[in-house]
Amino acid sequence: SQQGEEDPQALSIQEGENATMNCSYKTSINNLQWYRQNSGRGLVHLILIRSNEREKHSGRLRVTLDTSKKSSSLLITASRAADTASYLCATDLPYQLTFGKGTKLSVIP
Amino acid sequence: DGGITQSPKYLFRKEGQNVTLSCEQNLNHDAMYWYRQDPGQGLRLIYYSQIVNDFQKGDIAEGYSVSREKKESFPLTVTSAQKNPTAFYLCASSSGVVIAEAFFGQGTRLTVV
Repeated sequence: SQQGEEDPQALSIQEGENATMNCSYKTSINNLQWYRQNSGRGLVHLILIRSNEREKHSGRLRVTLDTSKKSSSLLITASRAADTASYLCATDLPYQLTFGKGTKLSVIP
Repeated sequence: DGGITQSPKYLFRKEGQNVTLSCEQNLNHDAMYWYRQDPGQGLRLIYYSQIVNDFQKGDIAEGYSVSREKKESFPLTVTSAQKNPTAFYLCASSSGVVIAEAFFGQGTRLTVV
């Protein structure tokens, strides 16, 4: 089954800096989603971008999608210590989502 | 409050035993899913169900079984046939065939002792 792969695997930044993480996938999609996972917890949906969209914003989050390159990026602006978590991209097949391993973001106060 | 509830949060199993993980949702979602997560790994799909009394195998269904007798409930049984069951298990639900958003429970951490 297709799977998104996030890059980098880990990212450490200072509070207030921006964080960018990338996701690549293998086959065509209807939409791509980003989720956050705090350590030992369930996933929380952040944002969805459809295949006919190129960019989407939600608060401090900005997501881009390039279907020609089969890639997406998630930008978190003005990071906070509370943003420390893993961020996973998910691509859809009918009836299911497939996830990458995630980017582990550490925001240092 | 609407949401999805998994229980228990922690579960210990002796080798050779079957254990059942509970997943309940009150979001009126038709679709429910079980994922397994190992340290440093992504989520792998075990089983999914699009409608009551119907479910499909995911990528790693061997050693697991499910039932979907009610819309709200999708329990997962980890059988003794599962060779390496120690993992973090996540249940999710969504509406629609094209998944707009999946809602996740808080997970069950299963440890074989």
